[in-house]
Amino acid sequence: EPEVTQTPSHQVTQMGQEVILRCVPISNHLYFYWYRQILGQKVEFLVSFYNNEISEKSEIFDDQFSVERPDGSNFTLKIRSTKLEDSAMYFCASIGTSGTKEQFFGPGTRLTVL
Amino acid sequence: RKEVEQDPGPFNVPEGATVAFNCTYSNSASQSFFWYRQDCRKEPKLLMSVYSSGNEDGRFTAQLNRASQYISLLIRDSKLSDSATYLCVVIATNRDDKIIFGKGTRLHILP
Repeated sequence: EPEVTQTPSHQVTQMGQEVILRCVPISNHLYFYWYRQILGQKVEFLVSFYNNEISEKSEIFDDQFSVERPDGSNFTLKIRSTKLEDSAMYFCASIGTSGTKEQFFGPGTRLTVL
Repeated sequence: RKEVEQDPGPFNVPEGATVAFNCTYSNSASQSFFWYRQDCRKEPKLLMSVYSSGNEDGRFTAQLNRASQYISLLIRDSKLSDSATYLCVVIATNRDDKIIFGKGTRLHILP
């Protein structure tokens, strides 16, 4: 069964450093998403991406965040200058072309900012 | 009113019991509704979509009441493996797809 994959599974970084989180969505999917979940809190939408551009972003997704689809398979989330409060699980998700809007999530990357 | 609101939980119920989860949403333009389950430190996994006519999948029944802006999930004959956090997800399509997760309701099934 096709699945969304994410790397790394755990990233530890120093405050102020840049991190890039990587995702490989399901191959024939067209809509891609990033979410974050701070420990013990709810899943929060960050950004959606379609046709090589951002289609929607939340208030959380400020100038320190960016997304890119550098090739036909990878979908990346970059945080330019990490803050302590960026520590969270980051989930990538994708939707196929069925029109049902059912999202398939990757296993997540746990980001720890020290 | 919160965009998506769920029972705060946790629910602690004996194995075999029936459990009901409730979710309300504030945006009347919302079009798509889902229940996900999330195990501890894992990704959310789709449990079922919620349709206006209601839908059932084995022990699970989901219902939507658009007039009351209310979604429910019923689990019958609960199993130990049902222990997880249940997330209500609402997508509004009046402009762009805006995906809102509820905070989730944790369920503990007791042996």
